[in-house]
Amino acid sequence: EVQLVETGGGLVQPGRSLKLSCVASGFTFSSYWMYWIRQAPGKGLEWVSSINTDGGRTYYLDSVKGRFTISRDNAENIVYLQMNSLRSEDTATYYCAKGIPDYWGQGVMVTVSS
Amino acid sequence: DIQMTQSPSVLSASVGDRVTLNCKASQNINKYLNWYQQKLGEAPKLLIYNTNNLQTGIPSRFSGSGSGTDYTLTISSLQPEDVATYFCFQHNSWPLTFGSGTKLEIK
Repeated sequence: EVQLVETGGGLVQPGRSLKLSCVASGFTFSSYWMYWIRQAPGKGLEWVSSINTDGGRTYYLDSVKGRFTISRDNAENIVYLQMNSLRSEDTATYYCAKGIPDYWGQGVMVTVSS
Repeated sequence: DIQMTQSPSVLSASVGDRVTLNCKASQNINKYLNWYQQKLGEAPKLLIYNTNNLQTGIPSRFSGSGSGTDYTLTISSLQPEDVATYFCFQHNSWPLTFGSGTKLEIK
């Protein structure tokens, strides 16, 4: 059974950093692209970042480029999202997802507020 | 960036109705269009990928069609458990983009 479990969320002040992790199981992690997608409270879905199978290619939403970094550890089956210089508009539930994307985790809440 | 426009934003229909949800891209997305269902408080679930491919485990009452810039999700016979918000998503080009969603309600 595919499982994606996100951790690392919480309340953080504007300008500070947070690192999200997504632990994957139930599939061959190193064979799939991975994604981070977010959803602000009561709003729609917004793609944030993607990483290819070996981590050599990464893509970002313009508004997070230069502030967020996606990475992966294929030995540990984990994908990360390092979020720096956080803004109030980054407040959202962050989901990791695999593949096309087909399976999604349950999400982790990030609140940026003073 | 490719803009994805979904219509209607809210749809109210009766159990057993045939329901059609629309998604229009601002440019050709070459059928790289997925549909997701999101129930309240849950993560999105993939229904249809690449326009017309039914994801494993999804009931056959869901189907997708389209090409170029215009895409459709059809529910052949609406069931009470289909109450949800439905999002389209293009993965033809970066940045990847979602539609704003169609909220489906039961009359």
